[in-house]
Amino acid sequence: DTAVSQTPKYLVTQMGNDKSIKCEQNLGHDTMYWYKQDSKKFLKIMFSYNNKELIINETVPNRFSPKSPDKAHLNLHINSLELGDSAVYFCASSQEFRGEAFFGQGTRLTVV
Amino acid sequence: DAKTTQPTSMDCAEGRAANLPCNHSTISGNEYVYWYRQIHSQGPQYIIHGLKNNETNEMASLIITEDRKSSTLILPHATLRDTAVYYCIVRTNNAGNMLTFGGGTRLMVKP
Repeated sequence: DTAVSQTPKYLVTQMGNDKSIKCEQNLGHDTMYWYKQDSKKFLKIMFSYNNKELIINETVPNRFSPKSPDKAHLNLHINSLELGDSAVYFCASSQEFRGEAFFGQGTRLTVV
Repeated sequence: DAKTTQPTSMDCAEGRAANLPCNHSTISGNEYVYWYRQIHSQGPQYIIHGLKNNETNEMASLIITEDRKSSTLILPHATLRDTAVYYCIVRTNNAGNMLTFGGGTRLMVKP
């Protein structure tokens, strides 16, 4: 069983569209994250979320929003997609805020 | 979080030890050293972390200098599957996993 799974693995869409990426973890962790890896391979935190608190990296545009229907899921919604949003997006989870993070396989988003 | 500096790339012969250095000269007393790696087309994978003492687990050993300004990740018997980008990250426990991964070291294990 995959510990942290993301869908879809690849996503190609046009500018201006709204899209979502789903993430599920079966580790029983209580904290989940979204990261963005750009074309230069730098990996940056976007959000950290548990059932108590959402922490947002201040550089993330408000077109990006995390939605958590339950503890095992943290989906990423992106509105009005722009060319610069093209990147690989990684979901991760950890037991509590400080535990080691387990990452999904990534979703490669291409905006055309 | 303190800044880290790593070599851009390194080669290692299969079966030999791979020693990956990391400089973190501005590290604070409450900051931990974490190592992750990213194999091509996969998500990052946690390897090991430490505060002051050297640490060892089934994957690697972490050697932290006494002044804590640098550390070395050691893969004792590198295999081809260890070819990856290795990231050294320094952070406080309060920062949790709000991590920023820098350029890392691209380790190429060769037959």
